[in-house]
Amino acid sequence: QVQLQESGPGLVKPSETLSLTCSVSGFSISTGRYWGWIRQPPGKGLEWIGNIYYSGSAYYNPSLKGRVTMSVDTSKNQFSLKLTSVTAADTAVYYCVRRDAADGTSFHWFDPWGQGTLVTVSS
Amino acid sequence: DIQMTQSPSSLSASVGDRVTITCRATQNISNYLNWYQQTQGTAPKILIYAASSLQNGVPSRFSGSGSGTDFTLTISSLQPEDFATYYCQQSYSIPSTFGGGTRVEI
Repeated sequence: QVQLQESGPGLVKPSETLSLTCSVSGFSISTGRYWGWIRQPPGKGLEWIGNIYYSGSAYYNPSLKGRVTMSVDTSKNQFSLKLTSVTAADTAVYYCVRRDAADGTSFHWFDPWGQGTLVTVSS
Repeated sequence: DIQMTQSPSSLSASVGDRVTITCRATQNISNYLNWYQQTQGTAPKILIYAASSLQNGVPSRFSGSGSGTDFTLTISSLQPEDFATYYCQQSYSIPSTFGGGTRVEI
């Protein structure tokens, strides 16, 4: 059973960098699949942040205007998110996800999800 | 970006009711449409992928249909554990985008 677990500071000051790590168990990142991050501001909907492949190839949501960087550490079976120059608008529950896919097709979806971690941006 | 609009934003229903939620995309996304369920305080869970394919382990009372720009999630007989918020998501193009959610209440 594949499980994902987010970790990182729950409080970040404005203008600083938000850093989160997702630890994966039950599946080797090196096997393949894309891995990613999705966030949800309190009481609001879901926003896709970006995806990264185990090789390090990544693509991000343009709405975040170049503030996002993702990385993979296959030796630790983890992947990470960095979001720079944060503001209160970045306060959200951050979920790490695996992008699953139907074999032989281009259909894909997010499964499983980590339990989520709340990151608050405040001084 | 492709915008996803769900309706209604909330609905009230009773156990045993048939419930239908719609999702509309601002452009043709073929059947690159997924549905998720989120219960209070938990992460979303995939229900339907590729518009109409039921994820393993999801009860058969859930079904999805549609193609192009208009999609539907149907719960044939609402159960107590189905009271939750439902989101559609398009996986046709980057950035992937979600609908605003439909809250199903008692």
